[in-house]
Amino acid sequence: EIVMTQSPAILSVSPGERATLSCRASQSVNTFLAWYQYKPGQAPRLLIYGASNRATGIPARFSGSGSGTQFTLTISSLQSEDFALYYCQQYNTWLSFGGGTKVEIK
Amino acid sequence: QVQLQESGPSLVKPSETLTLTCTVSGGSIINDFWSWLRQPAGKGLEWIGQIAPNGGTHFNSTFKSRVRISLDTPRDQFSLYLKSVTAADTALYFCARGQCTSSSCAKVWFDPWGRGTLVTISS
Repeated sequence: EIVMTQSPAILSVSPGERATLSCRASQSVNTFLAWYQYKPGQAPRLLIYGASNRATGIPARFSGSGSGTQFTLTISSLQSEDFALYYCQQYNTWLSFGGGTKVEIK
Repeated sequence: QVQLQESGPSLVKPSETLTLTCTVSGGSIINDFWSWLRQPAGKGLEWIGQIAPNGGTHFNSTFKSRVRISLDTPRDQFSLYLKSVTAADTALYFCARGQCTSSSCAKVWFDPWGRGTLVTISS
């Protein structure tokens, strides 16, 4: 099983600042990597697939990068609605999720 | 747009079968792959299994011996059956549509998801 490790577990950021979230795979997943945003009580929301492709309707301030074992989700200028949990998921070898990063208001 | 809604009992007794249904609205269940996932409290997301348009299924090996997923295409619903549940099966259960890179859907991400339904296993 491919283990996905996200860091940091908690990221404290001020509104308007940039947030950089990391996701590391225990072995290469090529670019078969997705990112989701989750707010408790709501449906998880797909942000990025294929490591860098924004899903339909996702604002341009969200961007994904990386390949192989190292991936990054960047939120260029945090808006109030962006404070949430973020998960990465690899789908190269069946699938597995990271443990999540909570983005909280600083 | 397509929306998903999970439904089913919030409390199930140990050793019984957990049954959940996902209702798809705003689109048809035909031609897509559908999955169940879960998140135990304080733990990560875990994929349970997937059903294909032809009814074929693929499961996480962790659950393989006690899980079944079925399609009800006239009602645009699919269901999860997890038997012999224990307290370790207490979790928030999600249904989701698979987005696939190929017709076999061996590589899949998920969009959209339902909001999830909390199921507690307790006597």
